[in-house]
Amino acid sequence: DVVLTQTPVAQPVTLGDQASISCRSSQSLVHSNGNTYLEWYLQKPGQSPQLLIYKVSNRFSGVPDRFIGSGSGSDFTLKISRVEPEDLGVYYCFQATHDPHTFGAGTKLELK
Amino acid sequence: QVQLKESGPGLVQPSQTLSLTCTVSGFSLTSYNVHWVRQPPGKGLEWMGVIWSGGNTDYNSALKPRLSISRDTSKSQVFLTMNRLQTEDTGIYYCKVLAYWGQGTLVTVSS
Repeated sequence: DVVLTQTPVAQPVTLGDQASISCRSSQSLVHSNGNTYLEWYLQKPGQSPQLLIYKVSNRFSGVPDRFIGSGSGSDFTLKISRVEPEDLGVYYCFQATHDPHTFGAGTKLELK
Repeated sequence: QVQLKESGPGLVQPSQTLSLTCTVSGFSLTSYNVHWVRQPPGKGLEWMGVIWSGGNTDYNSALKPRLSISRDTSKSQVFLTMNRLQTEDTGIYYCKVLAYWGQGTLVTVSS
């Protein structure tokens, strides 16, 4: 199974700062059809996860442009510029290229 | 609009079987894939499995021996069945399609 390794485990930030989360895969996430099915989710306390980014770098409807997904192959990054209070929570990467699908262990974005 | 709602027993005894239902609206089960994801208390998300639009299924390798996902397209319902439950199966169980998630249902495994 594909293992997704997220770093850091926790990211203390000051509001207005930039934050960066890494997601590394144990194998390439390029599908045989040429697409890379790497997604990013944010889960706020007591809520269901919400989709931020799909296929590496595409923002889902309504997601602010301060969320930027990038990467290729097996190395991916989510950058959040100008962190706002509503951005705090746990971020997960998720791969849907290979069966079974898998989540990373999560990165908690928290205030310093 | 797309909506999903999980329902189930809440409390299950160890070694017993869990049966959950995901009732969907706003789309056809024959057009989209429905996934199950769970989350133990205070821990991360775990992908459990999927029923593809065509009716085939795929499962988390670790759960595969105990897990079954099926559906009733006429009722717009997807079912999760997992047997031989243990305390570590306690958590919130979600169904999702594309970007849309249900609210989750809490399952507690305890005698």
